[in-house]
Amino acid sequence: DADVTQTPRNRITKTGKRIMLECSQTKGHDRMYWYRQDPGLGLRLIYYSFDVKDINKGEISDGYSVSRQAQAKFSLSLESAIPNQTALYFCATKQAPTDGYTFGSGTRLTVV
Amino acid sequence: AQSVAQPEDQVNVAEGNPLTVKCTYSVSGNPYLFWYVQYPNRGLQFLLKYITGDNLVKGSYGFEAEFNKSQTSFHLKKPSALVSDSALYFCAVRAPRGSQGNLIFGKGTKLSVKP
Repeated sequence: DADVTQTPRNRITKTGKRIMLECSQTKGHDRMYWYRQDPGLGLRLIYYSFDVKDINKGEISDGYSVSRQAQAKFSLSLESAIPNQTALYFCATKQAPTDGYTFGSGTRLTVV
Repeated sequence: AQSVAQPEDQVNVAEGNPLTVKCTYSVSGNPYLFWYVQYPNRGLQFLLKYITGDNLVKGSYGFEAEFNKSQTSFHLKKPSALVSDSALYFCAVRAPRGSQGNLIFGKGTKLSVKP
């Protein structure tokens, strides 16, 4: 099994629908992150969490919400999806501040 | 504000030749610097990092990077490129304080290695 698992891998949804992207990890890391990747823009931070009671907004949190259900689980929700949220979404984890991230394989989301 | 720039959208190299993927940064204090690689339809994989110490850092798959404080650069290098090195490469930076460990990523450089 992968260290960081994201579901679903691909999703097509309609404008206005609510959608949840899920992330689970077996690394035992406290820190979990959600990034989105857009061509030519690199990766931008949406939300991050240092433990189940610590949730923080990132650079582009508008239109998104998150839930840290357990140390190992961190989900991202789009309350009312819009087409410019079409992107590749990555979950990442790490333990110490100087560590590199461990990334999931990504969720490709298309909003039509 | 901290930032990172990858000035080349694409780098083309012939197999067997040396490769360089450029990265420059702007951050207050001593930076923490990272390189990641993304193969098609895959997540990002950690290659190497500079935190402190020797300016030349060695990483996975034969890659290395040199931290140059005066030029605020952290270029990724490999002495002999392989076709399998073709991928998207991201440089990332964080400040040692005040950013809670979050990384700022560059826009990525596509490396194409031709046989």
